[in-house]
Amino acid sequence: DQQVKQNSPSLSVQEGRISILNCDYTNSMFDYFLWYKKYPAEGPTFLISISSIKDKNEDGRFTVFLNKSAKHLSLHIVPSQPGDSAVYFCAANGYGGATNKLIFGTGTLLAVQP
Amino acid sequence: DTGVSQNPRHKITKRGQNVTFRCDPISEHNRLYWYRQTLGQGPEFLTYFQNEAQLEKSRLLSDRFSAERPKGSFSTLEIQRTEQGDSAMYLCASSAVLGTEAFFGQGTRLTVV
Repeated sequence: DQQVKQNSPSLSVQEGRISILNCDYTNSMFDYFLWYKKYPAEGPTFLISISSIKDKNEDGRFTVFLNKSAKHLSLHIVPSQPGDSAVYFCAANGYGGATNKLIFGTGTLLAVQP
Repeated sequence: DTGVSQNPRHKITKRGQNVTFRCDPISEHNRLYWYRQTLGQGPEFLTYFQNEAQLEKSRLLSDRFSAERPKGSFSTLEIQRTEQGDSAMYLCASSAVLGTEAFFGQGTRLTVV
């Protein structure tokens, strides 16, 4: 049973436009959510996180939105750059971020076209 | 380089052989995690250590798998009697005890032929 779902395997956007990556979860006990970026042949790199007590967290070009009632979160990248092209993983746990035992989604491949 | 280091980067082995992977975490990090990633999937949690204590093991970690972290520094993951289904990327990550961010290594890609 996939507790964290990323239903879009891939996304293509033009440079300078907004990229929106979506993630849904089923476990209501999850209270901490993270986004990781992964380039080929490298390990995942932490991008941004959000606690369930918030509905938005922003870091530069990256903003994560959390809708707890819908069990949905999204990552917005504005403006998108070609270097953002990578696989993006959504992850979650129910420990308030106190541990990194994470449940990952299957990833979305983002391609930013110059 | 002060990041998480994993060795080897690639390993090809014959079915039935034993393999061992090593992970060197960021030096001040108390927690160390092992994940496995197969094609088209996200990383799946296997086990984690706080210092030398193995605090949790996933049911994905069968009896053929064993992980150690002697002295709370580097960690090893051993797979005995490898099977083709063990072919995957094995990822190690580390974090501070109160850290909410885990830093991943580049992984060890295992191919069982």
